Amino acid sequence: GAGVSQSPSNKVTEKGKDVELRCDPISGHTALYWYRQSLGQGLEFLIYFQGNSAPDKSGLPSDRFSAERTGGSVSTLTIQRTQQEDSAVYLCASSITGGAGGYTFGSGTRLTVV
Amino acid sequence: ILNVEQSPQSLHVQEGDSTNFTCSFPSSNFYALHWYRWETAKSPEALFVMTLNGDEKKKGRISATLNTKEGYSYLYIKGSQPEDSATYLCALWMDSSYKLIFGSGTRLLVRP
Repeated sequence: GAGVSQSPSNKVTEKGKDVELRCDPISGHTALYWYRQSLGQGLEFLIYFQGNSAPDKSGLPSDRFSAERTGGSVSTLTIQRTQQEDSAVYLCASSITGGAGGYTFGSGTRLTVV
Repeated sequence: ILNVEQSPQSLHVQEGDSTNFTCSFPSSNFYALHWYRWETAKSPEALFVMTLNGDEKKKGRISATLNTKEGYSYLYIKGSQPEDSATYLCALWMDSSYKLIFGSGTRLLVRP
């Protein structure tokens, strides 16, 4: 695609429910990143994919968070048993190989847990 | 823990004012410093990628400088306009790294 596409753009969910966030990167971009920004905080790294592999999952806040990437393309970030502290804007970004030259970001998913 | 610090956290200026903000970072193992502009409900947009000490980059009314020895970068906006209102993020790419480390951003509001 022309850009990085994320869906849904907004999600309101009840505490305890599971949610899935989707990222469709630019075609041919092998590196894919998930970040999140909670209210008043900076962009927090969650996970990095190179192809379908995730060499660094260290930023995932708890075992309720998981992510996968299939076909070297679409990635889904799943949050199980959501908590209020999971409320944030979740951003996906991709880059051609590594990201030293910069990322192309999606417009994010705003998740609100009530 | 690696920290990229941005100041101020937020800034309100009048249309036509010039303004600047700071990004500071650890100078060891430096590779590149990135600036992004993030408007609400939009994608963060790349402004500059800077790699060399003393680099100066310019795009329209926005410019940036880099000092890798002391670990800081300044972003300048000349003659601010309401459409400049956004959060400005800086991010560090370290040598042998695979991810950008972001500061918490400077939120700029330009009043007409």
